[in-house]
Amino acid sequence: DGGITQSPKYLFRKEGQNVTLSCEQNLNHDAMYWYRQDPGQGLRLIYYSQIVNDFQKGDIAEGYSVSREKKESFPLTVTSAQKNPTAFYLCASSIVGGAMDEQYFGPGTRLTVT
Amino acid sequence: AQSVSQHNHHVILSEAASLELGCNYSYGGTVNLFWYVQYPGQHLQLLLKYFSGDPLVKGIKGFEAEFIKSKFSFNLRKPSVQWSDTAEYFCAVNGDNNDMRFGAGTRLTVKP
Repeated sequence: DGGITQSPKYLFRKEGQNVTLSCEQNLNHDAMYWYRQDPGQGLRLIYYSQIVNDFQKGDIAEGYSVSREKKESFPLTVTSAQKNPTAFYLCASSIVGGAMDEQYFGPGTRLTVT
Repeated sequence: AQSVSQHNHHVILSEAASLELGCNYSYGGTVNLFWYVQYPGQHLQLLLKYFSGDPLVKGIKGFEAEFIKSKFSFNLRKPSVQWSDTAEYFCAVNGDNNDMRFGAGTRLTVKP
């Protein structure tokens, strides 16, 4: 069954701790994306990667970091520098990352930092 | 960079009513336009997309959208909604700079 998996579904952390969100896809897609979804603000792009070992910052990259060592995996680290990390995080992938490509989304991880 | 505006934050309709959700974008170049839907407890999924050709595109579950270039709009329509259409709907625009932008979303509630 092809798709995108994100784990865990819910994550709780104390302020000042880094936390890594997992994203794995078995769709053989080249491009992967991380979005943050906040009520009333839609989806905002954090980072994206169009090929292994390469990634670009999105609109709100500050306080986040990513890696793309394998085609199927694109983990996101929320660092202690992120001022407002509590949010719903969505991972997506697309075939080649072209402008006409549909993006396929995972189920999301809800992160709560207290 | 492009931006996307969805006019309605929350729309409440009765079953069988007609639906039109507004989406306007600002971008001067070639655009690729998408509507995504997020049903309660489910993943975001594609409803329909436009990148060229007939400006009236049909998607899944009876939805359609019309691209009006002169108005920078890509409104989503459905002639008769069902309770199962209750969801959040997102318009998205991707320009030739490959810089996807999503709107803030419109929550649709359909009363049975």
